Amino acid sequence: EAGVTQFPSHSVIEKGQTVTLRCDPISGHDNLYWYRRVMGKEIKFLLHFVKESKQDESGMPNNRFLAERTGGTYSTLKVQPAELEDSGVYFCASSSLGGRNTEAFFGQGTRLTVV
Amino acid sequence: GIQVEQSPPDLILQEGANSTLRCNFSDSVNNLQWFHQNPWGQLINLFYIPSGTKQNGRLSATTVATERYSLLYISSSQTTDSGVYFCAVDLMNTGNQFYFGTGTSLTVIP
Repeated sequence: EAGVTQFPSHSVIEKGQTVTLRCDPISGHDNLYWYRRVMGKEIKFLLHFVKESKQDESGMPNNRFLAERTGGTYSTLKVQPAELEDSGVYFCASSSLGGRNTEAFFGQGTRLTVV
Repeated sequence: GIQVEQSPPDLILQEGANSTLRCNFSDSVNNLQWFHQNPWGQLINLFYIPSGTKQNGRLSATTVATERYSLLYISSSQTTDSGVYFCAVDLMNTGNQFYFGTGTSLTVIP
């Protein structure tokens, strides 16, 4: 069974440009989460989808970030326009529905570098 | 506030040595997981352990939920064990999300 897949693995863009990150969760997982680690700080929650609905987006830093999960399958996270402080590693995770005591699986991350 | 504290922050071991990493958390948990971030940045699941003890090869973990801590044991360490170890908790009185500790950076030298 394929794990959580993220694309691209690494992206280098200039300040002011747009970048779209993609996450393919484990098949059948209705919960999908985005996290990020910036500047060597701790990994922090961005948002949570249940199927195609945003359950919690309290961690989204500002309106330059837009996440979608059309059809409840894969998800995209768009940063527009990117700023230097957006550099970091963006992780996606998925888990099955079944209460909050279910194991979450993380993707390999997308390393975003804004120059 | 919500706290997830890991210790030690850094650890250097000689190959073959054993170690214990600790994670303290500030509230009751729905879920607790240990991860290893390898040199390529990937987060590898080690244990899903909201309570009790589990073992997987040279690694084992114990969570004492009533006392709000978890331990990760690494025995007979190898150079491939190097990397950052994260504890992540989903706390009962918060939204459905993980709070990560700041990690323990482990270096195993030959």
